[in-house]
Amino acid sequence: AQSVTQLGSHVSVSEGALVLLRCNYSSSVPPYLFWYVQYPNQGLQLLLKYTSAATLVKGINGFEAEFKKSETSFHLTKPSAHMSDAAEYFCAVIGKTGNQFYFGTGTSLTVIP
Amino acid sequence: GAGVSQTPSNKVTEKGKYVELRCDPISGHTALYWYRQSLGQGPEFLIYFQGTGAADDSGLPNDRFFAVRPEGSVSTLKIQRTERGDSAVYLCASSVHRGNTDTQYFGPGTRLTVL
Repeated sequence: AQSVTQLGSHVSVSEGALVLLRCNYSSSVPPYLFWYVQYPNQGLQLLLKYTSAATLVKGINGFEAEFKKSETSFHLTKPSAHMSDAAEYFCAVIGKTGNQFYFGTGTSLTVIP
Repeated sequence: GAGVSQTPSNKVTEKGKYVELRCDPISGHTALYWYRQSLGQGPEFLIYFQGTGAADDSGLPNDRFFAVRPEGSVSTLKIQRTERGDSAVYLCASSVHRGNTDTQYFGPGTRLTVL
């Protein structure tokens, strides 16, 4: 079975500070992992994905994530937060059949000016 | 280019009524997915189409839920005898073709409220 756990349903950072959103996964097969962002009243947008190539994955808007098998983690980071980063962030793992995502419960990021 | 579109954006109905939710995938995408997102939760998988056929409907909660994609493009999610617990945002996504690493492109969702 596959699942992801996002630690911290709400995270607040100051503008310009490091953003760290945590995601731990559980998977019975080598996982493919994704981070999506959801802005208010908009659809989910892919930030980045890990598909067993490089363990450090760079995405859009300056975000990156590192796959750490020993820690079963795929944390999302950004060196310097912008006001426009305020949104809901979802980590997801692809299911064994490859047909469906298993999403975490999401982390709401607030950026304080 | 046009993304995934969903109509209506909001639907309010009464308990026991029938509703249809429509999804227009990105042109040329053969795979289509439906998810349901309840308040404070991540999206939950409902059903996946490859072309016209439902390749995986294991996420449909019960037989009140049904989805079709007759021409391999537009899909309709149908809910019979709606219940208050069906209130959620219903998301549709499409991808070029079925594959573990394919990016799924999501629509903005339909917010269903059952009174």
